[in-house]
Order: sequence, then C-alpha cells, then structure tokens
Amino acid sequence: DIQLTQSPSFLSASVGDRVTITCRASQGISSYLAWYQQKPGKAPKLLIYAASTLQSGVPSRFSGSGSGTEFTLTISSLQPEDFATYYCQQFNSFPLTFGGGTKVEIK
Amino acid sequence: EVQLVESGGGLVKPGGSLRLSCAASGFTFNSNSMNWVRQAPGKGLEWVSSISSSGSYIYYADSVKGRFTISRDNAKNSLYLQMNSLRAEDTAVYYCARTYYYDSSGRNFDYWGQGTLVTVSS
Repeated sequence: DIQLTQSPSFLSASVGDRVTITCRASQGISSYLAWYQQKPGKAPKLLIYAASTLQSGVPSRFSGSGSGTEFTLTISSLQPEDFATYYCQQFNSFPLTFGGGTKVEIK
Repeated sequence: EVQLVESGGGLVKPGGSLRLSCAASGFTFNSNSMNWVRQAPGKGLEWVSSISSSGSYIYYADSVKGRFTISRDNAKNSLYLQMNSLRAEDTAVYYCARTYYYDSSGRNFDYWGQGTLVTVSS
C-alpha cells in the first residue's frame, strides 16, 4: 500500500501569509495526486488534481506542484475562508489512500 | 447540478448490520465510478470502497474487506454500502463521492455528499 505523509500536521498562520503543505508518498505515484479542503462539519472539497491542475472555481491563490514522491500545496496569500484542514490523496493504485491532514489555524 | 445524498446511518450495536444509500442526481450516473469514504470523529479521511460504472470492478480497504459490500443500481441512480459485523472502530461519517476521469487513467473525487453518521455502540 502507498502511504502518504503530510507535513506539518498543524500550521498556525496569519491572513496574507504564504503557506506551503507537503505530501510525501512512500513510492512513486507519477502525478496521480489530489488535494482537498475540508471545513468542520462539511464534506471535503476538491482543490487540485493531477498534482497541479486547479479545479474549476477554485481561487488562483491555490497551487500544487510535484511528481513522483514529493508534492506541495501552496496558498499564496492566506484568506480568512482558507482556515481549514487539507488532505492529499493518491490515485496511482488501490487501495486509494489519504494523507493524515494538515490543519491550518489562525495565528 | 450534481447532487449526492446519503442516508441510512444511525446507531447500531457491535456485530450488527446497516445499509447505506447514496442517491445521485444531476449527472449520468451509469457513466461514473463511485466511492465510499469515511471519517471517524476527529480523525482524517479513509477510503473505504470503489465500484466501477458497470459494477464489474470493485475494490475495498483491508479494514472492511469481507464485512462490507458495495453495490449500485444504475436504473435507480443509487449507490449502496452493506455493512455487516460492525465494530466500534467503524463509527464514522460515511461519504459517497463521484469519480471523475480527466484522462485515460487520471481521476479524482470531484463531488461529495454531505455524509451520514454511523455509530457502533452497545
């Protein structure tokens, strides 16, 4: 099974900050990685797929990069509505797996 | 508008059974693979099971294999998860999610339902 390790697991930041979250895969997954945002009590929302493709309707301050085993999600200028938990997910092979999550909180 | 609406959650005793449903609308249901993902209280997301558009290909997480059965009825635009031999560790919000293929092998979960809570407790 492919393990996804996200770091950090918790991040405290201010509005306007640039934020970077890392997702490392235990083996190569090409670009078969997606990023989701989840707010409390809500379903996850797709932000990025194919490692770097922005889902329709997602603000351009979100970006993704990487391939193989190392991936990043970057928020260029953190907005109040971005405080949430972020998850990566690999689609290279079954079982599909998620990272442990990164909670972004207000400093 | 794509909509996925889960139902069937509730309180069940350990060893019991429950059947979850996911009603789909706003898209051609028989063209998409579908999935179940769960989230234990205060924990992260865990993929549970996937089923292809025709139902011919089915996959399970090891944690539920042999106890859970995914199925679909394309005539009713519905996805199901039959959960047997339930354990306390199956307590979670269960989400159904649609698979979207953006190329021949690339995919994502582009739409999610609101989730249904399953609580396994005596």
